[in-house]
Amino acid sequence: GAVVSQHPSWVICKSGTSVKIECRSLDFQATTMFWYRQFPKQSLMLMATSNEGSKATYEQGVEKDKFLINHASLTLSTLTVTSAHPEDSSFYICSATKGQRTDTQYFGPGTRLTVL
Amino acid sequence: QQQVKQSPQSLIVQKGGISIINCAYENTAFDYFPWYQQFPGKGPALLIAIRPDVSEKEEGRFTISFNKSAKQFSLHIMDSQPGDSATYFCAASGTTGANNLFFGTGTRLTVIP
Repeated sequence: GAVVSQHPSWVICKSGTSVKIECRSLDFQATTMFWYRQFPKQSLMLMATSNEGSKATYEQGVEKDKFLINHASLTLSTLTVTSAHPEDSSFYICSATKGQRTDTQYFGPGTRLTVL
Repeated sequence: QQQVKQSPQSLIVQKGGISIINCAYENTAFDYFPWYQQFPGKGPALLIAIRPDVSEKEEGRFTISFNKSAKQFSLHIMDSQPGDSATYFCAASGTTGANNLFFGTGTRLTVIP
């Protein structure tokens, strides 16, 4: 199998606070992890790609200082939304790949972030 | 620029019918074409995938048809069931670079009893 978990599954926070979302590959070592953002009834938007021990590669238009990504081990990546604002409210989904090819991505269940 | 174009945006099918979702791409470097199924509030789940060396792949009630010359691929769901009601995303990636997946815009499928 290839199971990816996310924690928390949902979080509500006040504007100005920071929120950390964890992404774990439970039964495999992930060579690469991806972070996506999804708005209601829309497709997935890639935010960044991360490899263990390396700095994340952010997509154009994604603020690095706003969305901090740490890939501490082969099974854990974290996304921290710093100084969150209501416009950051969204569904955040991570995915992980195993092996050399990174095209087969296994997705986590997502984290619903609501910023009040 | 949308790398993968998907249609229709929404689809309603009677139980037992065939659901067909189409996707088209431009980048000839793409060589991996997966389909994902997503239920509300959940992450996408890999449903079936195909590579360009075959024109069709079947897994149970799900079939991918691939037309390399037309740069199109489609998902067919046979004997559609109410439990198939979900949003389906096609995607594509290539062998170079970061192998990022480029997603289609999604199709909301509703199967009515």
